[in-house]
Amino acid sequence: DGGITQSPKYLFRKEGQNVTLSCEQNLNHDAMYWYRQDPGQGLRLIYYSQIVNDFQKGDIAEGYSVSREKKESFPLTVTSAQKNPTAFYLCASLPPGGFDGYTFGSGTRLTVV
Amino acid sequence: AQSVAQPEDQVNVAEGNPLTVKCTYSVSGNPYLFWYVQYPNRGLQFLLKYITGDNLVKGSYGFEAEFNKSQTSFHLKKPSALVSDSALYFCAVWGRSHGNNRLAFGKGNQVVVIP
Repeated sequence: DGGITQSPKYLFRKEGQNVTLSCEQNLNHDAMYWYRQDPGQGLRLIYYSQIVNDFQKGDIAEGYSVSREKKESFPLTVTSAQKNPTAFYLCASLPPGGFDGYTFGSGTRLTVV
Repeated sequence: AQSVAQPEDQVNVAEGNPLTVKCTYSVSGNPYLFWYVQYPNRGLQFLLKYITGDNLVKGSYGFEAEFNKSQTSFHLKKPSALVSDSALYFCAVWGRSHGNNRLAFGKGNQVVVIP
């Protein structure tokens, strides 16, 4: 079955560490997105990529970085510059045209310890 | 830029009663509207969408939504709620922001169905 796989499901980070969240899709979608979810704030866009080797900042990109070396993969790195990284992170992809909306992964919960 | 408002933080409903989750939107041009549902510690699942055509859209799990252009609303409805419908519901609108097309999400509505 086609879909989006996010790993790990739970991740713990110490202060000052960088961590990388994985997002892999086998849907052959060009566009991929990273969202951050906090209680009561809905989904906020971190980064997105329309094609391989290209990506743009979303609304809350500070303290995050991404790469898009392959169509299937869009990893997100949460750097030590992100002061409040504890959140639920969601990856999504979009088929051509956009009329079917996003397909989401199952998310990664990141906690700073 | 496009935006969505979901005015209620939480909706409580007794099992078997009708369920309504409200959504209003703002977008330039024709609205492309979506509803998603999220269960705890899971990703968002697509419920239904309005692109064009009939104002009443039917989706998954018995849900439907009514598009009202004059009121810029896209309320989600279910005639008879189940306990298993308890979840977080997001309304979203497709539009252009910062030079690219993308979905804008509301804050979400927590639905609690009381047995």
